[in-house]
Amino acid sequence: IAGITQAPTSQILAAGRRMTLRCTQDMRHNAMYWYRQDLGLGLRLIHYSNTAGTTGKGEVPDGYSVSRANTDDFPLTLASAVPSQTSVYFCASEAGLAGGYTGELFFGEGSRLTVL
Amino acid sequence: GQNIDQPTEMTATEGAIVQINCTYQTSGFNGLFWYQQHAGEAPTFLSYNVLDGLEEKGRFSSFLSRSKGYSYLLLKELQMKDSASYLCAVLDSNYQLIWGAGTKLIIKP
Repeated sequence: IAGITQAPTSQILAAGRRMTLRCTQDMRHNAMYWYRQDLGLGLRLIHYSNTAGTTGKGEVPDGYSVSRANTDDFPLTLASAVPSQTSVYFCASEAGLAGGYTGELFFGEGSRLTVL
Repeated sequence: GQNIDQPTEMTATEGAIVQINCTYQTSGFNGLFWYQQHAGEAPTFLSYNVLDGLEEKGRFSSFLSRSKGYSYLLLKELQMKDSASYLCAVLDSNYQLIWGAGTKLIIKP
């Protein structure tokens, strides 16, 4: 693994189903983020984690939950998917803490989710 | 509210120069970033400005005026591989990135 890995890369699921998007990084970055990207809109922050064991809500957290049990993994869960959650989801990380929250993010390749 | 504006789409010719503008209104300012995103791929970091002026990096340059809430990304000697979306983002007072919707740049031969 080099950088950030997301899985799955693409998924179609029925409304009401539970879904977890996985994100793993091997850069030992402290801060991790989940964004969604929709056509015509900027990247919108769903949840973030400044360090292992802590999480915070972003701009559009409703319907999503995250956990950060260790430095490397930051899964995003949709408890009961709805069609409005159809989007491309990007996981990102940055060094943070001693390295400062610089805004220079490293992104995963994205997970394209379609909710029918 | 916080707002970042940039043109939706621009077209330019291979070998030419193009300037992509970005204006912002945010709660605080801790830097402005430009990212490049090819279709179907992840955004990648291009440049960072925190002080007024021009930062040059090869064919790409980025300019910032904090008093005007304005930045631009200048791409010289355009190549077909520069066809991509260019995202402007501002790091606000809470050290959160606020993103523009992106400018899709189309390069024609």
